Amino acid sequence: SAVISQKPSRDICQRGTSLTIQCQVDSQVTMMFWYRQQPGQSLTLIATANQGSEATYESGFVIDKFPISRPNLTFSTLTVSNMSPEDSSIYLCSVQTPTEAFFGQGTRLTVV
Amino acid sequence: ILNVEQSPQSLHVQEGDSTNFTCSFPSSNFYALHWYRWETAKSPEALFVMTLNGDEKKKGRISATLNTKEGYSYLYIKGSQPEDSATYLCAFWDAGNNRKLIWGLGTSLAVNP
Repeated sequence: SAVISQKPSRDICQRGTSLTIQCQVDSQVTMMFWYRQQPGQSLTLIATANQGSEATYESGFVIDKFPISRPNLTFSTLTVSNMSPEDSSIYLCSVQTPTEAFFGQGTRLTVV
Repeated sequence: ILNVEQSPQSLHVQEGDSTNFTCSFPSSNFYALHWYRWETAKSPEALFVMTLNGDEKKKGRISATLNTKEGYSYLYIKGSQPEDSATYLCAFWDAGNNRKLIWGLGTSLAVNP
């Protein structure tokens, strides 16, 4: 199993600013996954973060908007840049294998 | 494009009712099917992971079945309680090139006391 500490748990931000979300895992993992859940929608994968290489972004998500760092095998950050109200969502980090998935507690972001 | 579909989208039941949800997924490149329970302000909680056709799993009043040949899974809740109110998500692990969980939109369950 894996325990993931994610912070902040919530934030209210002004439009045009940036917020960095951090996830710390209690064990070394190869890949970390970043999701968002917008109101009324399911989990949408933003990108997959590998240590030592650039993150792989899903269609509709770009590095300039959601830069990701993965400095080691237990830590990752996701930055939501130049925020607009449409970025108001829950953001989750996750580690996964074919038969297990573990999540951080989520970051509830409100952009005003 | 791989797609996981869940139905119904939402459900309101009375305390004590039994209910079930459906998850449909691609039957090719199947590796595993996951069910999660997601309450507001919490992270998703794993309920079941099933890998074999015909698998049946049970956890208290909740159970699930798997049919990989036709690409569906059912989640059953017997004697629903208000604390069962949550969104139930299923996710399919694609053994092909994607190698990641592909999520359904979830079924939102509300149990009225």
